[in-house]
Amino acid sequence: AQSVSQHNHHVILSEAASLELGCNYSYGGTVNLFWYVQYPGQHLQLLLKYFSGDPLVKGIKGFEAEFIKSKFSFNLRKPSVQWSDTAEYFCAVNARNTDKLIFGTGTRLQVFP
Amino acid sequence: DGGITQSPKYLFRKEGQNVTLSCEQNLNHDAMYWYRQDPGQGLRLIYYSQIVNDFQKGDIAEGYSVSREKKESFPLTVTSAQKNPTAFYLCASKDRVGNSPLHFGNGTRLTVT
Repeated sequence: AQSVSQHNHHVILSEAASLELGCNYSYGGTVNLFWYVQYPGQHLQLLLKYFSGDPLVKGIKGFEAEFIKSKFSFNLRKPSVQWSDTAEYFCAVNARNTDKLIFGTGTRLQVFP
Repeated sequence: DGGITQSPKYLFRKEGQNVTLSCEQNLNHDAMYWYRQDPGQGLRLIYYSQIVNDFQKGDIAEGYSVSREKKESFPLTVTSAQKNPTAFYLCASKDRVGNSPLHFGNGTRLTVT
């Protein structure tokens, strides 16, 4: 069965600091990978996704993620965070041949000015 | 505007009562999902449906039931057998064609006392 681990539960940064949030999944086959973000009081929304091709994918608001197949990882990065990035971030995965989408436990990011 | 409507936003029930949460979408999506969101546990998949009149159990289906009689509707019943029903419930849908992301509803917060 597929599963997703997010090891950072709560991250606190100052503005302009660099961000990297870890995401590891367990599944032996081909997967689709996602990062979703939930800003305070808002819907979950898609930040970026990886299906195939270039393992470095760029999303909205300056975020990017790198798929490293050998490490079963899909870490999220941003070179310089802003106060408006304060939110909860969720990694998600589905096996390529199913619609079953599994989420990680989420990482709460707080950015202070 | 297309989207997903979950109603009601807040729901209160006494222990031992079944309760049904509504989810309607007008996005013409084939796949629909129910997740439960608890602090520190992320989103956990309850049930999902890839097509009308068919659905599959997610990781925490015990104590829940669903139906998918119409493409646009995927109601979730929280039964009295669910040990910890108090939670935030999220409905989502996606197009099965291509690699499309999930669209989420606003959620229903269920409190059982």
